[in-house]
Amino acid sequence: AQSVTQLGSHVSVSEGALVLLRCNYSSSVPPYLFWYVQYPNQGLQLLLKYTSAATLVKGINGFEAEFKKSETSFHLTKPSAHMSDAAEYFCAVSGGTSYDKVIFGPGTSLSVIP
Amino acid sequence: KAGVTQTPRYLIKTRGQQVTLSCSPISGHRSVSWYQQTPGQGLQFLFEYFSETQRNKGNFPGRFSGRQFSNSRSEMNVSTLELGDSALYLCASSLRDTQETQYFGPGTRLLVL
Repeated sequence: AQSVTQLGSHVSVSEGALVLLRCNYSSSVPPYLFWYVQYPNQGLQLLLKYTSAATLVKGINGFEAEFKKSETSFHLTKPSAHMSDAAEYFCAVSGGTSYDKVIFGPGTSLSVIP
Repeated sequence: KAGVTQTPRYLIKTRGQQVTLSCSPISGHRSVSWYQQTPGQGLQFLFEYFSETQRNKGNFPGRFSGRQFSNSRSEMNVSTLELGDSALYLCASSLRDTQETQYFGPGTRLLVL
């Protein structure tokens, strides 16, 4: 069974500073991994997805994540935070087949301080 | 291309009533998933439909049910509402399955009094 943990339910960074959101997963099979973002009063939007093609995955809005199998991690980073990055971020894992559910982590709320 | 639409956006019901939520996926998408989002439990998977068949189901009681029509539109129903059913219900669609990019609707916020 898959599961996801996200360290830090709330992260604050200054505008222009590095954003690092942590995600660790548990999966008995090679996983598919996702990062989604949710802005207030909106649905979720996919930032990026890992499907075993490359360990460093680049997404939208300058975000990227690195898959580290030895650490079972898939941390999300962005070199320079922007005010518009303030949102809720969800890491998710799936087993990779049509019959696997996508399991979401508890989410990390990102605040950007001007 | 129009996004995923959900109706209604807001709903207030009382305990014991039933409710039906609707989701129209992106044109051409055949997989529709439903999620419940609450502050305490986060995002929890309810079920997924593909070609009018429920392909996967989360750990929710039988009061939660759904269906998908031939045009891929989907509905979910909650019977005998409980206070704990108050949540944001999100629908997501993808071309064939949940491993692809899922496109989420804005959600239906249900308040049970």
